[in-house]
Amino acid sequence: NAGVTQTPKFRVLKTGQSMTLLCAQDMNHEYMYWYRQDPGMGLRLIHYSVGEGTTAKGEVPDGYNVSRLKKQNFLLGLESAAPSQTSVYFCASSLDRGNQETQYFGPGTRLLVL
Amino acid sequence: GIQVEQSPPDLILQEGANSTLRCNFSDSVNNLQWFHQNPWGQLINLFYIPSGTKQNGRLSATTVATERYSLLYISSSQTTDSGVYFCAVEGYSSASKIIFGSGTRLSIRP
Repeated sequence: NAGVTQTPKFRVLKTGQSMTLLCAQDMNHEYMYWYRQDPGMGLRLIHYSVGEGTTAKGEVPDGYNVSRLKKQNFLLGLESAAPSQTSVYFCASSLDRGNQETQYFGPGTRLLVL
Repeated sequence: GIQVEQSPPDLILQEGANSTLRCNFSDSVNNLQWFHQNPWGQLINLFYIPSGTKQNGRLSATTVATERYSLLYISSSQTTDSGVYFCAVEGYSSASKIIFGSGTRLSIRP
């Protein structure tokens, strides 16, 4: 059981470039989440998914797109990267929403946009 | 949306000391979790505790839902307890999002 994995671990982009971050989980979880964490702050929810083929906006969705074509994978895309998107991105998954369900986090992807 | 405030923002203690971290939230919650982010950035879930009290070794947590706060207790602190502790909440509405507090940075000195 690898849990939640993220690819890549670190990336440097130039302003305007695009990239996709991959999150994979092997726990058969329904819910998956993408967060960003900026220095000295808590995590902010970007987008989330309540099941295969579904996505929904979180707290800070602008500038990002997501897709959940397979239950085990949740992709986060940046179409035209901006310096304000420099952050650490965390993916998480949970079996369900609400009662007794905890989130399991990936190790994070550190993104620097120049 | 729900507002989450954590206190204190920073805490420096000697090894062996006890500590209490607080999380206040502005509305009723269906979900409250405590997380520990270690100095390497890894996030680990500590407790799922929308109400009541739970204990796991030297850590325990209490949520008083009617008064909209949760407390995380760490007893006999060890240097490995260092890191940032986050509280995260979610409201009852199906449209509610998970909201994290800004965290308490705990440093345990040997």
